[in-house]
Amino acid sequence: GAGVSQSPRYKVAKRGQDVALRCDPISGHVSLFWYQQALGQGPEFLTYFQNEAQLDKSGLPSDRFFAERPEGSVSTLKIQRTQQEDSAVYLCASKQGYSYEQYFGPGTRLTVT
Amino acid sequence: DAKTTQPPSMDCAEGRAANLPCNHSTISGNEYVYWYRQIHSQGPQYIIHGLKNNETNEMASLIITEDRKSSTLILPHATLRDTAVYYCIVSGVSGGSNYKLTFGKGTLLTVNP
Repeated sequence: GAGVSQSPRYKVAKRGQDVALRCDPISGHVSLFWYQQALGQGPEFLTYFQNEAQLDKSGLPSDRFFAERPEGSVSTLKIQRTQQEDSAVYLCASKQGYSYEQYFGPGTRLTVT
Repeated sequence: DAKTTQPPSMDCAEGRAANLPCNHSTISGNEYVYWYRQIHSQGPQYIIHGLKNNETNEMASLIITEDRKSSTLILPHATLRDTAVYYCIVSGVSGGSNYKLTFGKGTLLTVNP
C-alpha cells in the first residue's frame, strides 16, 4: 500500500525566502510527526499532531517554523525567512493511534543558499 | 527519555550475524527500547521494539538484559542491503501510545561481501 509521501523531495531557497513542505501520511493514521535531520546527525523531533490538534511543538527551533494539519490528514511545515542553518532534511512520520511503529516518508532536502 | 550509547560503526561479513549493542543505563520502568535503521537517502525504518522480554520478528531479534540497562539487536544473516545506520531509542509510553523518538547518532553498520 501507499506509504508516507513528502513533497517536494528537494527544495533550494534563497536566504530570506519562505518555504512550505508537504506531508501526506498513511490514510487513517492519527498521529503525525515532523523531524529535522542535519547532515551527519540523527533526526530531531520538531512537532507532533494527533488528528488536527498540535499536541507538542517543543522541538520547533524558532517562531519562524510553523506546522499545521487542518483536517487531520495532510500536514504542512512552513519556514519563514529561511536561514542557512535551516538547511537539512525534513522528515515526516505517521502512525496509528496505539501502534508502536512510526512510518517515515523519504524526506524533503532543503538547501538554503 | 533515557539516553542511549552506541558504537559509531561496525563491520559484518555478508551471511554472518550482526550484533549491535546499545547501552541505556538510565532507562525507567515504563520506557521501551526501539530500533530503527536508516538506509542512505531514505527515511528511518522501524525494526523492532521491546520492554523487558526478548523479541523476534522477521527482520531481527532484540535481546534485553535482565536489568534492562543494555540491549543487543541481532540481524541473523546480514546481507549487503542491511548496510545502514542503526538507531537504538528509548521512549516512554504516554496516554497509551508511544510518542516522539529521540535519535542519537546511531551505529553505521557496513556489511561487506
